[in-house]
Amino acid sequence: AQSVTQPDIHITVSEGASLELRCNYSYGATPYLFWYVQSPGQGLQLLLKYFSGDTLVQGIKGFEAEFKRSQSSFNLRKPSVHWSDAAEYFCAVSHGSSNTGKLIFGQGTTLQVKP
Amino acid sequence: DAGVTQSPTHLIKTRGQQVTLRCSPKSGHDTVSWYQQALGQGPQFIFQYYEEEERQRGNFPDRFSGHQFPNYSSELNVNALLLGDSALYLCASSARSSQVEQYFGPGTRLTVT
Repeated sequence: AQSVTQPDIHITVSEGASLELRCNYSYGATPYLFWYVQSPGQGLQLLLKYFSGDTLVQGIKGFEAEFKRSQSSFNLRKPSVHWSDAAEYFCAVSHGSSNTGKLIFGQGTTLQVKP
Repeated sequence: DAGVTQSPTHLIKTRGQQVTLRCSPKSGHDTVSWYQQALGQGPQFIFQYYEEEERQRGNFPDRFSGHQFPNYSSELNVNALLLGDSALYLCASSARSSQVEQYFGPGTRLTVT
């Protein structure tokens, strides 16, 4: 069965420092991969997605992610974190071939930003 | 361009009662998916609707049912509420051409007492 693992439950970084959030997935074929961000009490906002092609994808708010097939990973990065980036981040995966639309989410990583 | 909207924002119900949550998809989208997000967890897929039919279902009991209307809006119904049904219920919309690319509403916070 498909699964998504976000190894870090909670991460704290200083404002201006770089950020990397880890995501590993379990799926035989090439999946569709997503990162979402959720502010407290809010819904999910799509940051970026990977379907195929260039393995480094750019998203909104200065975020990027790199798909590494050999490591079954899709880590999210940002070169310089802003205080407004403090939120919950979710990695999600979907079947690449059937396009059925069911997303499987990881447990999430809470990002805290120190001034 | 209106995004995905959900109503109500918050809801408090008693065990055994029934609840209906509503969702209007983003303009141009015809597919609606529902997710349950328990506190401290990632969202879990409940089901997906397009062309007014349930097309996919996650691992949820029959107490969870839904409906999609001709204007693509959708309802989620939960019968015989349990304390464990307390969660944030998220609606996501997408286009048939790319059902995996989903845009989420703000959610409905359901508390069962």
